[in-house]
Amino acid sequence: LAKTTQPPSMEAYEGQEVNVSCSHTNIATSEYIYWYRQVPHQGPQFIIQGYKDYVVNEVASLFISADRKLSTLSLPWVSLRDAAVYYCIVTDKTNAYKVIFGKGTHLHVLP
Amino acid sequence: EAAVTQSPRSKVAVTGGKVTLSCHQTNNHDYMYWYRQDTGHGLRLIHYSYVADSTEKGDIPDGYKASRPSQENFSLILELASLSQTAVYFCASTPGNQDTQYFGPGTRLLVL
Repeated sequence: LAKTTQPPSMEAYEGQEVNVSCSHTNIATSEYIYWYRQVPHQGPQFIIQGYKDYVVNEVASLFISADRKLSTLSLPWVSLRDAAVYYCIVTDKTNAYKVIFGKGTHLHVLP
Repeated sequence: EAAVTQSPRSKVAVTGGKVTLSCHQTNNHDYMYWYRQDTGHGLRLIHYSYVADSTEKGDIPDGYKASRPSQENFSLILELASLSQTAVYFCASTPGNQDTQYFGPGTRLLVL
């Protein structure tokens, strides 16, 4: 299972675009990249997943480098509600129970 | 919308006492999980189950038991609660071979 490295914290103002990076240098060819976020007093919530290139949904976009060793979660126009801990997770689809949550990136949003 | 509920939402227990945390899902998912989260840390997997009447050990199973009496219900049991088990406990479920997890709201356990 690939280990992930994220910055421990980030800060942004409301209305800004935020890019959260995640390094996964040992990612295997069978592994996918997932992003979750957790707001205080709630469980983590799935945001987006990808394997390569670029993925976008109604909440965020995900860019994955060509060698798949780096991914970047992009949140457009953040609001105070986006203040949360963001987790980058790398896992094999056939081993759902091996999802490992690290410490994540704590995003602080300023008014 | 997938739904995972947990009870109780918070609990105070005494050292050496028995604690049972319950999880119920209406997603019709096969897999269910129990995690614990300590302040300032990520989640660690305690037990999981992929079918009723069967449970598997996760990364930190010591001091915990699990029970899956039906597809919908998954319990975490602390037979002899200890101070080190003070944490927030999250239950989650997933469909068969997918790993987008749906989490419950968590249970805050304080062991005194």
